[in-house]
Amino acid sequence: DSGVTQTPKHLITATGQRVTLRCSPRSGDLSVYWYQQSLDQGLQFLIQYYNGEERAKGNILERFSAQQFPDLHSELNLSSLELGDSALYFCASSVLAASTDTQYFGPGTRLTVL
Amino acid sequence: AQTVTQSQPEMSVQEAETVTLSCTYDTSESDYYLFWYKQPPSRQMILVIRQEAYKQQNATENRFSVNFQKAAKSFSLKISDSQLGDAAMYFCAYRSSMNYGGSQGNLIFGKGTKLSVKP
Repeated sequence: DSGVTQTPKHLITATGQRVTLRCSPRSGDLSVYWYQQSLDQGLQFLIQYYNGEERAKGNILERFSAQQFPDLHSELNLSSLELGDSALYFCASSVLAASTDTQYFGPGTRLTVL
Repeated sequence: AQTVTQSQPEMSVQEAETVTLSCTYDTSESDYYLFWYKQPPSRQMILVIRQEAYKQQNATENRFSVNFQKAAKSFSLKISDSQLGDAAMYFCAYRSSMNYGGSQGNLIFGKGTKLSVKP
């Protein structure tokens, strides 16, 4: 158990809908990362937050957004869902935002868009 | 942009034997970090081992060791005394040492190698 929690574990929804994925980092970690794992694209970095502020952006679609709250949990919002958004979404956390920090991954949320 | 390549989509090893998984990467940076993550059927991403590019000594964690060849941009993972529980997808990942801009902190993953362990 990495100490990173993600809810829900599974999510099934329809095209055009909006969903919110939640992540709680390890105790003491200030940085949160979101990754998407799909069959087509593999594991891709989406976005990073550090102590409530956006720090880095990767291949995140405009339909997707995220935020980190004062209690350091983070939410990833996916809207106007398409079939291609079906994937496993991971959250990872680290103590700071330094490149030396190890990222610990949560168990992931499996999103299925029908 | 940095890229990570794992040329072996699947590998198989006999229990108690040794197997080596290959990884190459492309970067113009001189300082960076390399990782191997394991993803068992549970889908959890588990850190296996990490290597700092400035260190010449190869990292070792119990039965797991790496062969880091900086000039060749190669980072292979050796698993000794393979166990049934080692069966998983293994991902090689790169992380820049730069702490600024859009690339700060994120991992760049290879496509993965699926390792099967035969009893």
